[in-house]
Amino acid sequence: ETGVTQSPTHLIKTRGQQVTLRCSSQSGHNTVSWYQQALGQGPQFIFQYYREEENGRGNFPPRFSGLQFPNYSSELNVNALELDDSALYLCASSLQRGSPLHFGNGTRLTVT
Amino acid sequence: AQKVTQAQTEISVVEKEDVTLDCVYETRDTTYYLFWYKQPPSGELVFLIRRNSFDEQNEISGRYSWNFQKSTSSFNFTITASQVVDSAVYFCALPGMDSSYKLIFGSGTRLLVRP
Repeated sequence: ETGVTQSPTHLIKTRGQQVTLRCSSQSGHNTVSWYQQALGQGPQFIFQYYREEENGRGNFPPRFSGLQFPNYSSELNVNALELDDSALYLCASSLQRGSPLHFGNGTRLTVT
Repeated sequence: AQKVTQAQTEISVVEKEDVTLDCVYETRDTTYYLFWYKQPPSGELVFLIRRNSFDEQNEISGRYSWNFQKSTSSFNFTITASQVVDSAVYFCALPGMDSSYKLIFGSGTRLLVRP
């Protein structure tokens, strides 16, 4: 059984640029969530996708957007990067809503 | 509003000591789940346990045990005979009130187990 995989592992971008992070969910999981984890803090919910549609969003501006594909993989896009966007971005998949989340290793984004 | 508080920022123990990580939560839901996750240096959050609020029995899994007390809104986690491999950040979490689809995490407790 393949777990949640994320790419890339690390990324360095400049303020104002755009970035796309990718996630492959665990086999059989149709729900994908994205979390942002700043240094020394707990993860903060960005949004969740269920069967290719966004069905929940946290307190993040519209420049954070996402997609889920028919194979349940997902992308997180962030436009107009700001310094405060520097964080670990975690993708999680679950078998169904309410089930335990299974997380990937994350993508460490640094904005300079 | 839903809230999780982990007051212990960092704990350092010597190997084989027992250690308890505290978690206090606030929720308006009458039934809810509570979770614990472990985050080793690799960054991945590892699911440890999900507990339903109507089941107040303590749970034990090997060296890990959890004490859930609804009366005090606490869900504490104890590691018995700690090992160096237990060194990690541990997070307690609670689903958002409006839906079960998102988790509200505490700020985490960093556990350092010294040899």
